[in-house]
Amino acid sequence: NAGVTQTPKFQVLKTGQSMTLQCAQDMNHNSMYWYRQDPGMGLRLIYYSASEGTTDKGEVPNGYNVSRLNKREFSLRLESAAPSQTSVYFCASSEGQGRNQPQHFGDGTRLSIL
Amino acid sequence: DAKTTQPPSMDCAEGRAANLPCNHSTISGNEYVYWYRQIHSQGPQYIIHGLKNNETNEMASLIITEDRKSSTLILPHATLRDTAVYYCIVRVLLGSGNTGKLIFGQGTTLQVKP
Repeated sequence: NAGVTQTPKFQVLKTGQSMTLQCAQDMNHNSMYWYRQDPGMGLRLIYYSASEGTTDKGEVPNGYNVSRLNKREFSLRLESAAPSQTSVYFCASSEGQGRNQPQHFGDGTRLSIL
Repeated sequence: DAKTTQPPSMDCAEGRAANLPCNHSTISGNEYVYWYRQIHSQGPQYIIHGLKNNETNEMASLIITEDRKSSTLILPHATLRDTAVYYCIVRVLLGSGNTGKLIFGQGTTLQVKP
């Protein structure tokens, strides 16, 4: 049981390049999330998808777009990468939207923008 | 949003119980307390969550005070592999839906020593 799988694990980009981070879950979860983690700042929510076909902004959505491709997959796109987007990106999923349903995380994508 | 306060670091001897405290004095009546941990370079790992009653699973126990203003995570027999940053989180509502976001604070770095 893989849980939440993120690809790639590492990536280096130049400023202005674009890239899509992939996330897939095999737990038949309805809700999926994208977070970023920066030193000293904890995790911050970028976008989330409460269910297939819906997406909504989180705390720090600027510079990102997302696509809920199907129930399993939720991708995060950087259209024009900036050094401020250097971070570790985590995807998570949960069974539903309720506060009684824990989120399960992937192992992250480490992204450096030069 | 309810905030949590945790000690920045703790030590524990291998084989002994690790008791990690958390204060969440502004928690609302229907907000759950979640505990996650993050081992270096991995994604956050869900441990346990609760609302009012004490909870136990295969990983840990969660003790919530009657007034719900604080809680304690107990790892009954700590091992070296339990060395990690432990996050106490109050899950809050996000937007007009019911999808909760996790607000990660700075957490407690638990060092299990031989």
